Amino acid sequence: GNSVTQMEGPVTLSEEAFLTINCTYTATGYPSLFWYVQYPGEGLQLLLKATKADDKGSNKGFEATYRKETTSFHLEKGSVQVSDSAVYFCALSDNTGFQKLVFGTGTRLLVSP
Amino acid sequence: SQTIHQWPATLVQPVGSPLSLECTVEGTSNPNLYWYRQAAGRGLQLLFYSVGIGQISSEVPQNLSASRPQDRQFILSSKKLLLSDSGFYLCAGGGDVFSQPQHFGDGTRLSIL
Repeated sequence: GNSVTQMEGPVTLSEEAFLTINCTYTATGYPSLFWYVQYPGEGLQLLLKATKADDKGSNKGFEATYRKETTSFHLEKGSVQVSDSAVYFCALSDNTGFQKLVFGTGTRLLVSP
Repeated sequence: SQTIHQWPATLVQPVGSPLSLECTVEGTSNPNLYWYRQAAGRGLQLLFYSVGIGQISSEVPQNLSASRPQDRQFILSSKKLLLSDSGFYLCAGGGDVFSQPQHFGDGTRLSIL
Protein backbone atom coordinates (compact mmCIF):
# COMPACT_ATOMS: atom_id res chain seq x y z
CA GLY A 1 0.00 0.00 0.00
CA ASN A 2 0.89 3.66 -0.06
CA SER A 3 3.15 5.02 2.65
CA VAL A 4 5.10 8.13 3.64
CA THR A 5 8.32 8.21 5.61
CA GLN A 6 9.56 11.36 7.33
CA MET A 7 12.72 12.08 9.20
CA GLU A 8 12.47 11.72 12.95
CA GLY A 9 12.32 14.82 15.08
CA PRO A 10 12.61 17.02 16.86
CA VAL A 11 14.67 19.23 14.59
CA THR A 12 16.21 22.04 16.61
CA LEU A 13 17.55 25.11 14.81
CA SER A 14 18.58 28.63 15.55
CA GLU A 15 16.73 31.50 13.91
CA GLU A 16 17.85 32.18 10.30
CA ALA A 17 19.25 28.66 9.88
CA PHE A 18 18.53 26.56 6.79
CA LEU A 19 15.85 23.90 7.16
CA THR A 20 15.46 20.56 5.43
CA ILE A 21 12.89 17.98 6.46
CA ASN A 22 13.16 14.80 4.46
CA CYS A 23 10.13 12.98 3.11
CA THR A 24 10.01 9.91 0.88
CA TYR A 25 6.99 8.02 -0.32
CA THR A 26 5.84 4.72 -1.76
CA ALA A 27 2.81 4.77 -4.00
CA THR A 28 1.26 3.19 -7.03
CA GLY A 29 0.17 5.44 -9.83
CA TYR A 30 0.65 9.20 -9.69
CA PRO A 31 -0.03 10.62 -6.25
CA SER A 32 -0.28 14.26 -5.27
CA LEU A 33 2.05 15.33 -2.49
CA PHE A 34 1.42 17.76 0.35
CA TRP A 35 3.05 19.38 3.33
CA TYR A 36 0.78 20.28 6.23
CA VAL A 37 1.76 22.26 9.32
CA GLN A 38 0.28 21.96 12.79
CA TYR A 39 0.88 24.78 15.26
CA PRO A 40 0.51 23.99 18.98
CA GLY A 41 -3.08 23.22 19.94
CA GLU A 42 -4.40 23.69 16.43
CA GLY A 43 -5.56 21.58 13.51
CA LEU A 44 -3.63 21.09 10.30
CA GLN A 45 -3.08 23.77 7.70
CA LEU A 46 -2.02 23.09 4.16
CA LEU A 47 1.44 24.55 3.62
CA LEU A 48 2.12 23.58 0.02
CA LYS A 49 1.39 20.95 -2.57
CA ALA A 50 2.64 19.44 -5.83
CA THR A 51 0.55 17.38 -8.20
CA LYS A 52 3.02 15.95 -10.70
CA ALA A 53 6.67 15.13 -11.16
CA ASP A 54 9.07 18.10 -11.08
CA ASP A 55 6.38 20.43 -9.72
CA LYS A 56 7.64 22.76 -7.01
CA GLY A 57 5.23 23.81 -4.30
CA SER A 58 6.03 26.97 -2.33
CA ASN A 59 4.44 29.08 0.38
CA LYS A 60 5.68 31.37 3.18
CA GLY A 61 9.29 30.83 2.17
CA PHE A 62 8.96 27.05 2.27
CA GLU A 63 9.36 24.96 -0.86
CA ALA A 64 9.39 21.33 -1.89
CA THR A 65 9.94 19.64 -5.25
CA TYR A 66 8.16 16.48 -6.37
CA ARG A 67 10.98 14.10 -7.36
CA LYS A 68 9.58 10.99 -8.96
CA GLU A 69 13.00 9.44 -9.64
CA THR A 70 13.88 9.48 -5.94
CA THR A 71 10.24 9.32 -4.68
CA SER A 72 10.93 12.31 -2.45
CA PHE A 73 9.30 15.58 -1.47
CA HIS A 74 11.75 17.25 0.92
CA LEU A 75 10.69 20.47 2.64
CA GLU A 76 13.18 23.35 2.68
CA LYS A 77 13.35 26.90 3.94
CA GLY A 78 16.33 29.17 3.60
CA SER A 79 15.95 31.07 6.87
CA VAL A 80 13.67 29.83 9.62
CA GLN A 81 11.95 32.01 12.20
CA VAL A 82 10.81 31.29 15.74
CA SER A 83 7.23 31.42 14.45
CA ASP A 84 7.96 28.42 12.21
CA SER A 85 8.10 26.17 15.28
CA ALA A 86 5.44 23.55 14.66
CA VAL A 87 4.93 19.95 13.57
CA TYR A 88 5.23 19.35 9.84
CA PHE A 89 3.47 16.46 8.11
CA CYS A 90 4.23 15.11 4.70
CA ALA A 91 1.28 13.43 2.99
CA LEU A 92 0.22 11.89 -0.27
CA SER A 93 -3.14 11.51 -1.93
CA ASP A 94 -3.76 8.59 -4.21
CA ASN A 95 -5.85 10.69 -6.61
CA THR A 96 -8.68 8.22 -6.70
CA GLY A 97 -12.18 9.57 -6.26
CA PHE A 98 -11.87 9.19 -2.50
CA GLN A 99 -8.73 11.32 -2.17
CA LYS A 100 -7.64 9.64 1.00
CA LEU A 101 -4.53 11.12 2.56
CA VAL A 102 -1.67 9.02 3.88
CA PHE A 103 0.48 10.91 6.36
CA GLY A 104 3.97 10.58 7.64
CA THR A 105 4.49 10.55 11.39
CA GLY A 106 5.29 14.26 11.52
CA THR A 107 8.48 16.15 12.33
CA ARG A 108 8.58 18.65 15.16
CA LEU A 109 10.60 21.77 14.41
CA LEU A 110 11.87 23.92 17.27
CA VAL A 111 13.43 27.26 16.37
CA SER A 112 15.23 29.24 19.05
CA PRO A 113 16.01 32.96 18.91
CA SER B 1 -13.58 28.76 0.52
CA GLN B 2 -14.29 25.73 2.61
CA THR B 3 -14.38 25.99 6.43
CA ILE B 4 -14.51 23.04 8.80
CA HIS B 5 -16.08 23.46 12.25
CA GLN B 6 -15.48 20.93 15.00
CA TRP B 7 -16.64 20.81 18.58
CA PRO B 8 -15.97 20.51 21.37
CA ALA B 9 -12.33 21.58 21.36
CA THR B 10 -11.51 19.45 24.40
CA LEU B 11 -13.36 16.63 26.08
CA VAL B 12 -12.65 14.49 29.13
CA GLN B 13 -14.72 11.33 29.40
CA PRO B 14 -14.69 8.29 31.70
CA VAL B 15 -14.06 4.82 30.33
CA GLY B 16 -17.31 3.21 29.21
CA SER B 17 -19.14 6.46 28.51
CA PRO B 18 -20.60 7.33 25.09
CA LEU B 19 -19.11 9.80 22.64
CA SER B 20 -20.41 12.15 20.00
CA LEU B 21 -18.14 14.53 18.12
CA GLU B 22 -19.64 16.76 15.48
CA CYS B 23 -18.14 18.27 12.37
CA THR B 24 -19.84 20.65 9.97
CA VAL B 25 -18.66 22.13 6.71
CA GLU B 26 -19.28 25.55 5.18
CA GLY B 27 -18.54 26.87 1.74
CA THR B 28 -19.07 23.79 -0.37
CA SER B 29 -21.71 21.23 -1.24
CA ASN B 30 -21.38 17.45 -1.41
CA PRO B 31 -17.84 17.39 -0.03
CA ASN B 32 -15.90 14.27 0.81
CA LEU B 33 -15.53 14.19 4.59
CA TYR B 34 -12.92 12.46 6.73
CA TRP B 35 -12.20 11.67 10.37
CA TYR B 36 -8.56 11.27 11.41
CA ARG B 37 -7.04 10.41 14.77
CA GLN B 38 -3.69 11.51 16.03
CA ALA B 39 -2.61 9.39 18.97
CA ALA B 40 0.14 10.57 21.31
CA GLY B 41 3.54 10.18 19.66
CA ARG B 42 2.07 8.89 16.44
CA GLY B 43 1.05 10.27 13.09
CA LEU B 44 -2.39 10.81 11.67
CA GLN B 45 -4.52 7.81 10.90
CA LEU B 46 -7.59 7.90 8.70
CA LEU B 47 -10.55 6.41 10.56
CA PHE B 48 -13.55 7.04 8.30
CA TYR B 49 -14.44 8.79 5.10
CA SER B 50 -17.71 9.64 3.44
CA VAL B 51 -18.52 10.59 -0.13
CA GLY B 52 -22.17 11.40 0.52
CA ILE B 53 -25.13 11.28 2.90
CA GLY B 54 -25.37 7.91 4.59
CA GLN B 55 -22.20 6.63 2.88
CA ILE B 56 -19.48 5.72 5.36
CA SER B 57 -16.30 3.75 4.79
CA SER B 58 -14.17 2.53 7.66
CA GLU B 59 -10.44 2.31 7.29
CA VAL B 60 -9.50 0.47 10.46
CA PRO B 61 -11.39 -1.83 12.82
CA GLN B 62 -12.12 0.01 16.03
CA ASN B 63 -14.49 0.96 18.77
CA LEU B 64 -15.82 3.99 16.93
CA SER B 65 -18.47 4.62 14.30
CA ALA B 66 -19.33 7.50 12.00
CA SER B 67 -22.50 8.84 10.47
CA ARG B 68 -23.39 11.46 7.91
CA PRO B 69 -27.00 12.49 8.42
CA GLN B 70 -26.73 15.63 6.29
CA ASP B 71 -24.57 16.73 3.38
CA ARG B 72 -22.38 18.97 5.51
CA GLN B 73 -22.47 17.12 8.81
CA PHE B 74 -20.20 14.29 9.90
CA ILE B 75 -20.46 12.70 13.34
CA LEU B 76 -18.02 10.44 15.15
CA SER B 77 -19.53 8.25 17.87
CA SER B 78 -18.90 5.50 20.35
CA LYS B 79 -21.25 3.59 22.63
CA LYS B 80 -18.52 2.79 25.17
CA LEU B 81 -15.19 4.57 25.19
CA LEU B 82 -11.92 2.73 25.82
CA LEU B 83 -8.68 4.15 27.18
CA SER B 84 -7.15 3.58 23.77
CA ASP B 85 -9.64 6.01 22.23
CA SER B 86 -7.73 8.95 23.70
CA GLY B 87 -6.22 11.23 21.11
CA PHE B 88 -6.65 14.27 18.93
CA TYR B 89 -9.49 13.88 16.44
CA LEU B 90 -9.50 15.87 13.26
CA CYS B 91 -12.28 16.31 10.75
CA ALA B 92 -11.38 17.19 7.18
CA GLY B 93 -13.32 18.07 4.07
CA GLY B 94 -12.69 18.39 0.39
CA GLY B 95 -10.49 16.38 -1.86
CA ASP B 96 -13.39 15.57 -4.11
CA VAL B 97 -11.44 16.25 -7.28
CA PHE B 98 -7.93 15.26 -8.21
CA SER B 99 -5.20 17.21 -6.47
CA GLN B 100 -7.57 19.27 -4.33
CA PRO B 101 -6.19 19.38 -0.81
CA GLN B 102 -8.21 18.57 2.24
CA HIS B 103 -9.04 21.32 4.73
CA PHE B 104 -8.97 20.50 8.42
CA GLY B 105 -10.88 21.66 11.46
CA ASP B 106 -9.15 22.71 14.66
CA GLY B 107 -9.57 19.29 16.21
CA THR B 108 -10.98 17.80 19.41
CA ARG B 109 -8.62 16.62 22.11
CA LEU B 110 -10.23 13.62 23.79
CA SER B 111 -8.92 12.33 27.11
CA ILE B 112 -10.30 9.11 28.56
CA LEU B 113 -9.96 8.62 32.31
